[in-house]
Amino acid sequence: SQQGEEDPQALSIQEGENATMNCSYKTSINNLQWYRQNSGRGLVHLILIRSNEREKHSGRLRVTLDTSKKSSSLLITASRAADTASYFCATDESGSEKLVFGKGTKLTVNP
Amino acid sequence: AAGVIQSPRHLIKEKRETATLKCYPIPRHDTVYWYQQGPGQDPQFLISFYEKMQSDKGSIPDRFSAQQFSDYHSELNMSSLELGDSALYFCASSSAGTSGAKGQFFGPGTRLTVL
Repeated sequence: SQQGEEDPQALSIQEGENATMNCSYKTSINNLQWYRQNSGRGLVHLILIRSNEREKHSGRLRVTLDTSKKSSSLLITASRAADTASYFCATDESGSEKLVFGKGTKLTVNP
Repeated sequence: AAGVIQSPRHLIKEKRETATLKCYPIPRHDTVYWYQQGPGQDPQFLISFYEKMQSDKGSIPDRFSAQQFSDYHSELNMSSLELGDSALYFCASSSAGTSGAKGQFFGPGTRLTVL
């Protein structure tokens, strides 16, 4: 079974709006990472948040982590058409460095 | 900045043939990871190597094998290919002990199509 489950599976918004994607996981983790993937292309590392952190910012990205609820959210502010992509969360379980990915959220930003 | 390099980028094979995928990690990264992503699926961990030794193993079929060489590049060998092996194969790299701290960085992937 997948470690991460993402919500929503698909999200369509207008340019300039904010996009929020959520991820839940099941086991204890060291870190949680968010990746972006354009259709059929490579995975681009966006941001990493450690298990002892609650919030992290990088440009227009804001990530939160709630270890008590085993969940994370990725907020993209002031979205652009170029943000259209699939977004995956990935966790590395305690004692392992392998990443377990969520199902991903397909974000479409309409110009 | 240098990124992870994978070759070939595209590969077409017939059923029962073999394929070899190559991965060149970011300079000074000593850990490589292989992932498989089927159509419309999330990436699945296959195997990883640290300092040329296998460090972790996931859902990798027995038909697949991999190794890491002295220059830290890695190769994924796939034999007796099946239609279901058609997927994107990603390699990622990290520095020892920092995979968690700094993340794994992915290559562009090799798209394998088995006919």
